[in-house]
Amino acid sequence: AQSVTQLDSQVPVFEEAPVELRCNYSSSVSVYLFWYVQYPNQGLQLLLKYLSGSTLVESINGFEAEFNKSQTSFHLRKPSVHISDTAEYFCAAFRQGGSEKLVFGKGTKLTVNP
Amino acid sequence: NAGVTQTPKFRVLKTGQSMTLLCAQDMNHEYMYWYRQDPGMGLRLIHYSVGEGTTAKGEVPDGYNVSRLKKQNFLLGLESAAPSQTSVYFCASSRDRGFAEAFFGQGTRLTVV
Repeated sequence: AQSVTQLDSQVPVFEEAPVELRCNYSSSVSVYLFWYVQYPNQGLQLLLKYLSGSTLVESINGFEAEFNKSQTSFHLRKPSVHISDTAEYFCAAFRQGGSEKLVFGKGTKLTVNP
Repeated sequence: NAGVTQTPKFRVLKTGQSMTLLCAQDMNHEYMYWYRQDPGMGLRLIHYSVGEGTTAKGEVPDGYNVSRLKKQNFLLGLESAAPSQTSVYFCASSRDRGFAEAFFGQGTRLTVV
């Protein structure tokens, strides 16, 4: 069965510092990969996704993630974070040819301090 | 542009009471899902539907039932609520099975006392 591991449950950083939120997935077959963001007391919003093609995907607010098949990773990065990036981030995977499930990691709480 | 709408947004139940959560989408999506979110657990799939009149069990289906009588609506029922069902419930809909174009509702915060 597909599984998604987010290696850090909490990541505190200072404003304008770079950040990397780590995500590894288990399936060795074709997968779609996603990062969702959840701001306090809100629902989930899609941040970016990898379906096929270029292994580097970007969001409109400066985040990027790189699909690394050999390391089965999809880490999320931002070169300079803002206070407003404080949120919980979820990595998710959908295995093609498998069940109809989008499997989520347990989440990483990013706290950006002034 | 409503997208995915969940009602109610908040609810407090007593143990043993029943209730139904409604998820409505206006995008003509075939696929709909119910997840629950618990601290430190991420989101776990309860039930899902691949089209009108169909339902299937997800990862944590016990204690819940669902129905998809109309394409735009996906109902989640709790017949006899338990404190372990205290959670935030999210509904999602997707145009296709791969979640390439998927949208989540704003969530329903349920407390069972």
